[in-house]
Amino acid sequence: GQNIDQPTEMTATEGAIVQINCTYQTSGFNGLFWYQQHAGEAPTFLSYNVLDGLEEKGRFSSFLSRSKGYSYLLLKELQMKDSASYLCAVRGHMDSNYQLIWGAGTKLIIKP
Amino acid sequence: ETGVTQTPRHLVMGMTNKKSLKCEQHLGHNAMYWYKQSAKKPLELMFVYNFKEQTENNSVPSRFSPECPNSSHLFLHLHTLQPEDSALYLCASSQGGGTGEIRNYNEQFFGPGTRLTVL
Repeated sequence: GQNIDQPTEMTATEGAIVQINCTYQTSGFNGLFWYQQHAGEAPTFLSYNVLDGLEEKGRFSSFLSRSKGYSYLLLKELQMKDSASYLCAVRGHMDSNYQLIWGAGTKLIIKP
Repeated sequence: ETGVTQTPRHLVMGMTNKKSLKCEQHLGHNAMYWYKQSAKKPLELMFVYNFKEQTENNSVPSRFSPECPNSSHLFLHLHTLQPEDSALYLCASSQGGGTGEIRNYNEQFFGPGTRLTVL
């Protein structure tokens, strides 16, 4: 079967760094997405990886290792507004631009 | 503002009611999606439309009936729902672009969702 695993909840301190891991088992791979979702709001796109390596975007970076079926989202200089759920999703099939396989999300709690 | 709007934001209905959820996207996208989001569960894809044609139907019960009159509007018609259908229903859109070729990220843009409670 196809599966995305990520921790249910993490806690970090304001100003610190946190790494949210995501592992996947899918029948194919055509890109991995990270989304942020604040409570009661829509998920918003954060990053996309299709090749191995690190993609950096300001305070957020995302890493991918296709051979290990592994990605992480790195958040630096944490701010209180970063408290949210972080969703990992994989586009699993080369013949579909539409189907994403989603993880259940990691709820990140930032403490002062 | 994500460019995708949904109405209503909250809906309470009885099991015998009929209601409709509406989604509109102002981004010029070709593909639109309905998702169900339940607490602590992954997003469940329900339906996908590309250029108004339904391309995915992930074994959704017939009490959920989608309608896509054009590339900008998407409806989800609800009838004789069950309490376990209570969830957040999210609409999303993306640029689409056919199959076998990824021209860009093709990321999905989500609406704020409709919080549905079935009594």
